[in-house]
Amino acid sequence: AQTVTQSQPEMSVQEAETVTLSCTYDTSENNYYLFWYKQPPSRQMILVIRQEAYKQQNATENRFSVNFQKAAKSFSLKISDSQLGDTAMYFCALRYTGANSKLTFGKGITLSVRP
Amino acid sequence: DSGVTQTPKHLITATGQRVTLRCSPRSGDLSVYWYQQSLDQGLQFLIQYYNGEERAKGNILERFSAQQFPDLHSELNLSSLELGDSALYFCASSEDTLLWTDTQYFGPGTRLTVL
Repeated sequence: AQTVTQSQPEMSVQEAETVTLSCTYDTSENNYYLFWYKQPPSRQMILVIRQEAYKQQNATENRFSVNFQKAAKSFSLKISDSQLGDTAMYFCALRYTGANSKLTFGKGITLSVRP
Repeated sequence: DSGVTQTPKHLITATGQRVTLRCSPRSGDLSVYWYQQSLDQGLQFLIQYYNGEERAKGNILERFSAQQFPDLHSELNLSSLELGDSALYFCASSEDTLLWTDTQYFGPGTRLTVL
C-alpha cells in the first residue's frame, strides 16, 4: 500500500517571495506518478504540476517547480514569486501506472500568502 | 473550469435518507473516479468506473454504490445516511488510454450535509 505524508500543516509566505512545500511518500512500486493539487477557498481541486517517476528531470510549470528525489521518496513543490492567488490548500498525491489508478493524497498543507 | 460537472452543488438531508450525486466527465474521458473529502479522513478514493464497468474500489461503505451509464455519466448513491457522511464528494475523470498515464481532472464537488 502506498502512503503520502505532508508533515507541515500550515505555511505562510510574503508576496513575491519563494516557498517550498514538502511531501514524502512510500511505495514499493517503481512506476508511478506524483502530483500537486491546489484547493483554493472555492474548494475546487486544481492540478498544479505532475511528475513521472521514470523521468529524472524535475517538472516545471511557470512559477511552480518540483524537487523530485526518487531514492529519498521526496517530492517538494517550490512556488516562486508567490502571489495572493496562491493562497490555498496544497495536496501531494501519488498514483500508480497500472489498472488501479486511484490517487492517494496527503493530508494537505494550508499556504497563506501575505500582502 | 476542468470540464467535469457535478450536481447538485449542495445537498442538505436528514439521517436515514438516501441521496444521489451526479457527475458528467470531460468529453472523451472514459474513467470516472469518486473521492470523499472530510475533516477527519482527508481525501479518500471511493470507487472508479471505466467505460461502464467498475474497475477499482477503495474505502467505500456498503451503504454507498455507484454506476456509470452508457453516456459515461456517473451517479453515486448514498443510503441510510449518517452524520459522519457529511463531506465534500468529488468526481474526477481521465481519458485512461491503455497506458493509464492520464491525469485526473476534478469537478467542483458536491457538499453533502446530513442533519
